Amino acid sequence: SAVISQKPSRDICQRGTSLTIQCQVDSQVTMMFWYRQQPGQSLTLIATANQGSEATYESGFVIDKFPISRPNLTFSTLTVSNMSPEDSSIYLCSVGRPGQAVADTQYFGPGTRLTVL
Amino acid sequence: AQTVTQSQPEMSVQEAETVTLSCTYDTSENNYYLFWYKQPPSRQMILVIRQEAYKQQNATENRFSVNFQKAAKSFSLKISDSQLGDTAMYFCALMEYGNKLVFGAGTILRVKS
Repeated sequence: SAVISQKPSRDICQRGTSLTIQCQVDSQVTMMFWYRQQPGQSLTLIATANQGSEATYESGFVIDKFPISRPNLTFSTLTVSNMSPEDSSIYLCSVGRPGQAVADTQYFGPGTRLTVL
Repeated sequence: AQTVTQSQPEMSVQEAETVTLSCTYDTSENNYYLFWYKQPPSRQMILVIRQEAYKQQNATENRFSVNFQKAAKSFSLKISDSQLGDTAMYFCALMEYGNKLVFGAGTILRVKS
């Protein structure tokens, strides 16, 4: 497995602002994923981020709202733009197994708890 | 489309006892993976156990084991000798090879002393 860290661990933001969440992995991984967990809910995939290509977004999520960067094989960022209280959630990054071109398992970071006032 | 159903919103068990969490799923693929993740109040998602669909043998990790019934599309988790630290939300999840994880709604497990 890989060791994954996320920054910030939590934040409280004002509506209309943006927050960038960082995900750092201790090993090179091909596939990285960003999930949202709304209060009391399960996890929903926002997008898949592979190094060297544009992120692939799931239905209901758009690049203008959730821009993602993947500059190398150990790092990714997710920005939550023009925030509203409905964006209050836990945001989690996950990665496939190091050395695998295609994920058959996913390991999660500790998550970022976002509260929008 | 992939779906995962967990029909037990909450379960409780006495310390040292055994508990089984249920999960059913649907997929049209033959090559897929099934997982149980644990999410304690710290919110960290922890991989508990993984099952490859092409393997008939049920996966086991220490006190955790699964009952994988491929034809019935059922994937239950058995926790033996329950400990207070097992208290958490448990999510069943399905992944088609190289694809996203699809999660069930989760089951809150409370271990009582």
